[in-house]
Amino acid sequence: KNEVEQSPQNLTAQEGEFITINCSYSVGISALHWLQQHPGGGIVSLFMLSSGKKKHGRLIATINIQEKHSSLHITASHPRDSAVYICAVRCSLTLAGGYQKVTFGTGTKLQVIP
Amino acid sequence: GAVVSQHPSRVICKSGTSVKIECRSLDFQATTMFWYRQFPKQSLMLMATSNEGSKATYEQGVEKDKFLINHASLTLSTLTVTSAHPEDSSFYICSARDRLAAIGSPLHFGNGTRLTVT
Repeated sequence: KNEVEQSPQNLTAQEGEFITINCSYSVGISALHWLQQHPGGGIVSLFMLSSGKKKHGRLIATINIQEKHSSLHITASHPRDSAVYICAVRCSLTLAGGYQKVTFGTGTKLQVIP
Repeated sequence: GAVVSQHPSRVICKSGTSVKIECRSLDFQATTMFWYRQFPKQSLMLMATSNEGSKATYEQGVEKDKFLINHASLTLSTLTVTSAHPEDSSFYICSARDRLAAIGSPLHFGNGTRLTVT
């Protein structure tokens, strides 16, 4: 079983729909990242969460540390939101060298249709 | 915001040759940079952690003699794929951590390098 599980793997939505992408993890973490990968491969860091909820424009990210679960919500989805969304967790154990290992989910491919 | 520049964005090389990929932090200093690999339709896989002025730390299963990492300055890390084979064809991405940022701060990613070995 992967340490980070995302669902769904693929998602097709009509423009304007409310979208939710889920991420569950099984390790202790210090932070969780939501990343957006565009078709060309470039990656943008959307959110970094350690607790609670964050909002940026139409994007909302929540995390429940006790349940080891996070969700990424997109309100009023738009075709330009089409991308792969990746959940990444930073493990709470600090390794030699002062860094914490990051483990990635397999991603959710979102397509928003006009 | 913080910018990480990765070069080249695409490279095609012949089997047996070596390819160097650069990762630069443009407006911050990075004591730690990370190298990832992504196969088609799969997620990112951490290959190694590059620490300025010291040897890189490789993840299990990653050949250190094949994927040479050099982090000679606070703004530059390089990944050299030596004696490349077609199975090394992949998408390679780097990320960097601002040395002034607290542990757990956001990662800054490069745009990736698509390597094709013929």
